Amino acid sequence: EAGVAQSPRYKIIEKRQSVAFWCNPISGHATLYWYQQILGQGPKLLIQFQNNGVVDDSQLPKDRFSAERLKGVDSTLKIQPAKLEDSAVYLCASSLRREVGLNYGYTFGSGTRLTVV
Amino acid sequence: AQSVTQPDIHITVSEGASLELRCNYSYGATPYLFWYVQSPGQGLQLLLKYFSGDTLVQGIKGFEAEFKRSQSSFNLRKPSVHWSDAAEYFCAVGLNNAGNMLTFGGGTRLMVKP
Repeated sequence: EAGVAQSPRYKIIEKRQSVAFWCNPISGHATLYWYQQILGQGPKLLIQFQNNGVVDDSQLPKDRFSAERLKGVDSTLKIQPAKLEDSAVYLCASSLRREVGLNYGYTFGSGTRLTVV
Repeated sequence: AQSVTQPDIHITVSEGASLELRCNYSYGATPYLFWYVQSPGQGLQLLLKYFSGDTLVQGIKGFEAEFKRSQSSFNLRKPSVHWSDAAEYFCAVGLNNAGNMLTFGGGTRLMVKP
């Protein structure tokens, strides 16, 4: 099966600019996650979707970050305006559906590496 | 507070030597436990997972991990390391009643000497 697709792979922007990342999960996966991985750290959950609804966005800096999954398939994560500390790899992951919990694990995409200068 | 600790930031082993990467967690209940590997510029690949049952879990690429409830640990092992195992390894835990979110440790970077 095709994996989780993310684009772009790399992005360099200046601080205060805006940027958007795209994720297409595995077909049929109802749950989609965005994680932020700062260099030298483990990934940290930003937001979780179940179909087109937000399940958990408690760790999302809502003053500058937004995410949507309008049709319950692909998703976009946006940062506006970007700060230097937003430099990180943004990982998208998907899983079959929330009700089966963690039994099937996640599948991660290759990530988007963002550098804010 | 829930937490995952990987005490070793860097580990260097010789090719062919055995490997053990440590992971300790702090949770109120037994969580779901995972090990992921990340090669440079790549996403996270699942090595193995533990939910219940046999506390010794076999994974891909010859890795195994042992869950020890009394020590709140889930250490990753491999009897003979290959140069291609050089990567960053992450331990992660999750709770079904926490919306399936995974909490990751800080990672251990493995270097393999020829």
